[in-house]
Amino acid sequence: ETGVTQSPTHLIKTRGQQVTLRCSSQSGHNTVSWYQQALGQGPQFIFQYYREEENGRGNFPPRFSGLQFPNYSSELNVNALELDDSALYLCASSATGTSVYNEQFFGPGTRLTVL
Amino acid sequence: AQSVTQLDSQVPVFEEAPVELRCNYSSSVSVYLFWYVQYPNQGLQLLLKYLSGSTLVKGINGFEAEFNKSQTSFHLRKPSVHISDTAEYFCAVIFTGGGNKLTFGTGTQLKVEL
Repeated sequence: ETGVTQSPTHLIKTRGQQVTLRCSSQSGHNTVSWYQQALGQGPQFIFQYYREEENGRGNFPPRFSGLQFPNYSSELNVNALELDDSALYLCASSATGTSVYNEQFFGPGTRLTVL
Repeated sequence: AQSVTQLDSQVPVFEEAPVELRCNYSSSVSVYLFWYVQYPNQGLQLLLKYLSGSTLVKGINGFEAEFNKSQTSFHLRKPSVHISDTAEYFCAVIFTGGGNKLTFGTGTQLKVEL
């Protein structure tokens, strides 16, 4: 069983640029969540996608957007990059079902540096 | 307001000594509680979770945690730590009714020394 993978591992961009981060969910999972982890902080929820639709969003501006594809992989897009966007971006996948909680499995993350 | 607090940013401890990492939360709704570990340059790994039932929860790598509803706490403990336990530990909460969204504390760096 393949776990959650993310690409690229590291990325350096300059202010004002746009970036796309990618996530492949674990086999059998239909839900993907994205988190931003700034240096020295805990991860913060950006948004979640379920069956290609946004299914919940945290306190992030509209320049953070996402997509989920029919194979349940996902992209996180950030426009007009700011210095404060520098962080580790984590993707987590889960299999939404009838349980009270569906465990989220995290990928290794993409380290984004904005100069 | 709903929040998660980890008061200790760093906890140094000698190998084979016991350790407790503290987590408190604030909520007006029921919660699900989690502890995650993050090793350098890696993602998050689930150590244990509390959804319902027994308030003492056992997880991987010899860790356990106890849910105390009256004190709104979920402290993580290990009776004897190893060098390999050196990592960042995050407490996380799902506030029911808010979807499958994890709210994390700021983390505690556990440093195990010889």
